[in-house]
Order: sequence, then C-alpha cells, then structure tokens
Amino acid sequence: DIQMTQSPSTVSASVGDRVTITCRASESVISWLAWYQQKPGKAPKLLIYKASTLESGVPSRFSGSGSGTEFTLTITSLQPDDFATYYCQQYKSNYSFGQGTKLQIK
Amino acid sequence: QVRLQQWGAGLLKPSETLSLTCAVFGGSFSENYWSWIRQPPGKGLEWIGEVNYSGSTSYKSSLKGRVSISVDTSKNQFSLRLSSVTAADTAVYYCARGRREFGGIIAMALTYYYHMDVWGKGTTVTVSS
Repeated sequence: DIQMTQSPSTVSASVGDRVTITCRASESVISWLAWYQQKPGKAPKLLIYKASTLESGVPSRFSGSGSGTEFTLTITSLQPDDFATYYCQQYKSNYSFGQGTKLQIK
Repeated sequence: QVRLQQWGAGLLKPSETLSLTCAVFGGSFSENYWSWIRQPPGKGLEWIGEVNYSGSTSYKSSLKGRVSISVDTSKNQFSLRLSSVTAADTAVYYCARGRREFGGIIAMALTYYYHMDVWGKGTTVTVSS
C-alpha cells in the first residue's frame, strides 16, 4: 500500500496569511493526488485533483503543485472559512490518505 | 447535481455485521467507481473499498476477509457489509463517488483514474456491548 505523510500536523495562521502544507508519498503517484478540506461534523470537500486542477467552485486562493512523491497545497490570503483540517489522498493505486493537517487560528 | 444518500444501523454489538447502503441520485452510475471511507472519532480518513457498475471490487488489504461491497444497478445503490465488528470499527462511515479521469494509454490500453468528488453526509456507527 502507498503511504502518505503530511506535514505539519498542525499549523497556526492569521486571516490574510499564506499557508503551505506538504504531502509525501512512499512511492511515485505521478500526479494522481487530491486535496480535501474537512470541517468538524462534515464530509470532506474536494479542493484539488490531479495535483493541481482546481475543482469547480473552489476559490482560486487554493492551489496545488508537485508530482511524483512530493506535493504541496498552498492557500493564499487566508479567509475565516479556511480554518479546517486538510487531507491529501493518492488515487494511483487504490486510495490512501495523509494523516491530516489542522489549520487553526493563531 | 449528483447527490449521495446513505443509511444503515448505527449501533452494533461486537461480532455483529455492519450494513450500510448508499443511493446515488443524478449523474452517471456506470462510468464511475463507488467507495466507502471511514473516520474513527478524532482520527483521519481510511478508505475501505470500492465497487463499479459491473460489480468489480477492490478492498483495503487489512480489511479483506471481513468486508464486502456490492452494487444494485436497478436502484443505483451500493452497499457495504463488514463482519465481526469490534470497538475498533466505531467510526463515521462515508460513501463517495470516484469520478473518472482519463489517464492515458498504457500498454495499449485506455487507463482511467478516479478521484472522490461527491460524498455522502456520513453515518455514525458505534460498536458497543
């Protein structure tokens, strides 16, 4: 099974800040990587797929990059609604998720 | 607009069988894969398995032997069964659509990959004696 590792586990930031979350795969997933946002008590919401393609309706302050084994999710100009937990997921070989990164208010 | 509606028993005793169903409204049932994912309290997401329109399945290796996912194409529904549950199976269970993406031609075969774009609202399942 492909293992996914996210860092950091928790990040503190303020409204207006830029935040970057990193995801590493135990083997190459090429570009078959997605990012999700999850708020307490809610289902995950797809933000980005194929490493850098923004899902329809997702604000352009979210962006993804990377290929192979290293990927990043960047949120520019943080908004109050962005404070949540973020997960990466590979879908090259079955599916596996990172452990999550909690984005909290500083 | 695709919508997933899920239901099933929320309280089980150890050794019983978990059974959940997810109905798909809108979109193409045949082009996509359909997955179950779970999330234990306070923890991360774990993929359980998937099924497609023809009944082809794939499961997380650590759950093989206990898990079964089936499809009812006449109702656009798919179901999860997990046998011999223990407290470790206590979680919120989600169903999700794996939306098809073209992945190129590999070994002269069309290849597709599926990312999860639509999720059900989740069903809380508690295993307790």
